[in-house]
Amino acid sequence: DVKVTQSSRYLVKRTGEKVFLECVQDMDHENMFWYRQDPGLGLRLIYFSYDVKMKEKGDIPEGYSVSREKKERFSLILESASTNQTSMYLCASSKPGLAGRVIMNEQFFGPGTRLTVL
Amino acid sequence: TQLLEQSPQFLSIQEGENLTVYCNSSSVFSSLQWYRQEPGEGPVLLVTVVTGGEVKKLKRLTFQFGDARKDSSLHITAAQPGDTGLYLCAGGRWNFGNEKLTFGTGTRLTIIP
Repeated sequence: DVKVTQSSRYLVKRTGEKVFLECVQDMDHENMFWYRQDPGLGLRLIYFSYDVKMKEKGDIPEGYSVSREKKERFSLILESASTNQTSMYLCASSKPGLAGRVIMNEQFFGPGTRLTVL
Repeated sequence: TQLLEQSPQFLSIQEGENLTVYCNSSSVFSSLQWYRQEPGEGPVLLVTVVTGGEVKKLKRLTFQFGDARKDSSLHITAAQPGDTGLYLCAGGRWNFGNEKLTFGTGTRLTIIP
């Protein structure tokens, strides 16, 4: 059974703390993504990675950084957590599309980490 | 900027009724996906549509991609309590050679037994 796992289901941190969210996939997928999910806003892409040590900014990268040292692991880092980063964080992985193809591959999601910053 | 708007945001209906959820954008997408998310879980893919005007059926669920590939709809016939969940549309685009999904705002559906 294919799986994307996230290190914590619930996390409570204080303003200014450095926060690490870990994601591991066992499907040998090249692509990995970090989203945050807020009511009424859907999922918004923070960062994504198409290969080890490669990263690209998504739509809302401010206040976040990422690390991809191994193919199966993609980490999201909040350098100095703030209350407006309280949210549900979802990690996903997918196979890469072929160059020029238009069909998006399925993204497989982890169960999410609900982060509260006090 | 939110590129994909879904309506309604919330929908609560009785078991056995029919419903339609809409996903609208001013942008063209190369493909469109629908995901369903249940409490405590990540979203799970239901369908991918690619061609303008395409219609796909998945048992009681019917998905349509607009002719101009800017909008989509999800129609559920004879809704069941198991259909309860958050429905998310997601448009696919190629961005500097990389593929990226833009998710909609979501429709939270509750089916009352």
